[in-house]
Amino acid sequence: GAGVSQSPRYKVAKRGQDVALRCDPISGHVSLFWYQQALGQGPEFLTYFQNEAQLDKSGLPSDRFFAERPEGSVSTLKIQRTQQEDSAVYLCASTPGSGRGDTGELFFGEGSRLTVL
Amino acid sequence: QQQVKQSPQSLIVQKGGISIINCAYENTAFDYFPWYQQFPGKGPALLIAIRPDVSEKKEGRFTISFNKSAKQFSLHIMDSQPGDSATYFCAASIGVNNAGNMLTFGGGTRLMVKP
Repeated sequence: GAGVSQSPRYKVAKRGQDVALRCDPISGHVSLFWYQQALGQGPEFLTYFQNEAQLDKSGLPSDRFFAERPEGSVSTLKIQRTQQEDSAVYLCASTPGSGRGDTGELFFGEGSRLTVL
Repeated sequence: QQQVKQSPQSLIVQKGGISIINCAYENTAFDYFPWYQQFPGKGPALLIAIRPDVSEKKEGRFTISFNKSAKQFSLHIMDSQPGDSATYFCAASIGVNNAGNMLTFGGGTRLMVKP
């Protein structure tokens, strides 16, 4: 079956612009995660959804970052008034969820590379 | 606070050699320790994982060694191949099936296997 799909794969934004990054998780996966990966660094947790509920947003770096998953499937990460320090790869991952054969493995998409000029 | 420290940052190994990557963690509540492999332009993919109730886990050419008292774990790649050239991340989390599976990643090791 299809894996986690992210779009756009590449986004160039001028400083101050708003951007929206989309994630299509694996069908039926309950849990969805967003991670930020700066160049040459490991992924850092941003936020977590279980179905449509955002259960943890402790990793969002500022109130310019906002994520939603209104129908418990597709998720959008929105960054308002982008800054140069927002330049990174934004990774989405999904898992089946507790009690649904979840082994702990995160299934990652290929990421959306954001460059802020 | 960096909770998972990984070394070395980069590693060059000859084909057929052993690649060793080390990680140390601080939070004693961590109880799930996976390794992820990432190729350029791709997302990380799970390679192998271990729980702290065992000291070693082997899957094919890949072995995790775990030292709970030292709060360290390592990845050994035996008979390293050019196709193993990638970036490797160790990670840790509290629980596997609890809400979140929120992983804390190390900084990564860029492995190059020379033919």
